[in-house]
Amino acid sequence: DIQMTQSPSSLSASVGDRVTITCRASQSISFYLNWYQQKPGKAPKLLIYAASSLQSGVPSRFSGSGSGTDFTLTISSLQPEDFATYYCQQSYSTPHTFGQGTKLEIK
Amino acid sequence: QVQLVQSGAEVKKPGASVKVSCKASGYTFTSYDINWVRQATGQGLEWMGWMSPNSGNTGYAQKFQGRVTMTRNTSITTAYMELSSLRSEDTAVYYCARGVLTGTYWYFDLWGRGTLVTVSS
Repeated sequence: DIQMTQSPSSLSASVGDRVTITCRASQSISFYLNWYQQKPGKAPKLLIYAASSLQSGVPSRFSGSGSGTDFTLTISSLQPEDFATYYCQQSYSTPHTFGQGTKLEIK
Repeated sequence: QVQLVQSGAEVKKPGASVKVSCKASGYTFTSYDINWVRQATGQGLEWMGWMSPNSGNTGYAQKFQGRVTMTRNTSITTAYMELSSLRSEDTAVYYCARGVLTGTYWYFDLWGRGTLVTVSS
């Protein structure tokens, strides 16, 4: 199975900050990487697919980059509604494993 | 509207089975795979497997092989996930999620609200 490792596991930031979350795959997954946002008690929400494609309806302050084994999710200017947990997921092969999550908290 | 509506919370005893349903509406049920993902309280997301509502084909994570069965009833646009031989570690919220294929890229763009399954004696 492909292991996905996110860093950091938690992050404190302020409204307006630029934030970057990293996801590393245990082997090359080309561009087969998705990002999801999850708020407490809610289902995950797709933000980015194929490493850098923004899902319809997702604000443009979210962006994704990377290929191979190293990927990043960037939020250019944090908004209050962005405080949540973020997960990466590889879709290169089954099982479609997720990272352990990055909890983004208000500083 | 486009949505996946899941069945209600369940409480089961160790060794029992649970069957969770996921009703699709607002889109062509047979055009998209259904995936199942679970999340233990305070933990991360764990992919369990997928099912094609069109063909009935399935693929399960090795961890759940032999214990999970994913099926569907196309006449009522509903997918099911049955997990047997339940143990306390199976206590979790179970989500169904629609799988979309764009080119060669898979992603889950529509999720149910989740079904809490509690395994307790």
